[in-house]
Amino acid sequence: DIVMTQSPDSLAVSLGERATINCKSSQSVLYTSTNENFLAWYQQKPGQPPKLLIDWASIREYGVPDRFSGSGSGTDFTLTISSLQAEDVAVYYCQQYYSTPHTFGQGTKLEIK
Amino acid sequence: ITLKESGPTLVKPTQTLTLTCTFSGFSLSTSAVGVGWIRQPPGKALEWLALIYWDDDKHYSPSLKNRLTVTKDTSKNQVVLTMTNMDPVDTATYFCAHRQINTGLDSWGQGTLVTVSS
Repeated sequence: DIVMTQSPDSLAVSLGERATINCKSSQSVLYTSTNENFLAWYQQKPGQPPKLLIDWASIREYGVPDRFSGSGSGTDFTLTISSLQAEDVAVYYCQQYYSTPHTFGQGTKLEIK
Repeated sequence: ITLKESGPTLVKPTQTLTLTCTFSGFSLSTSAVGVGWIRQPPGKALEWLALIYWDDDKHYSPSLKNRLTVTKDTSKNQVVLTMTNMDPVDTATYFCAHRQINTGLDSWGQGTLVTVSS
């Protein structure tokens, strides 16, 4: 299994400031045939299912605010929220879908400082 | 696209859990489409369980493979997950979700909380 490790486990950021969440995979999730990273980021608010924010490591889903961005390749990835808004308080998960089982990270809880 | 999970909210230890995911807005007979199952124990992280594709290709979590079965009924727009020998540690919210091959899970059901207790 590919192990996904997120850091930090929790994060408190002031409104309007940048939030950065890291995700590391135990092996590369880069599909070299197409040069795509099979890595997704999800946002989960209390009592709700996860919401897909970013696919292929850096492609925002339709309707996701542009303050959310994803970067990285191979084994190291980052989710950045450029200017934190109150509605961004949530738990964020990365997931690899390079090989089954499509493992998730342990989650990062983002709060307002 | 919408998905909805249904099934028992309470099962006893050693029993078999059967959950149904009923969906609309897509067909599981369409090439490259899949439905996955994910669970989340209260206050804990997401755990990937299983995946079934349009061509009946199936994948399971190795740690649960002996206990899981996933099937589809294309005519009813349903996917069924069965998990045998339930234990209190299997208490969780169970989600089903849609994906296209080589993408993330782009639409999720609201989830159903299953409690395992005698």
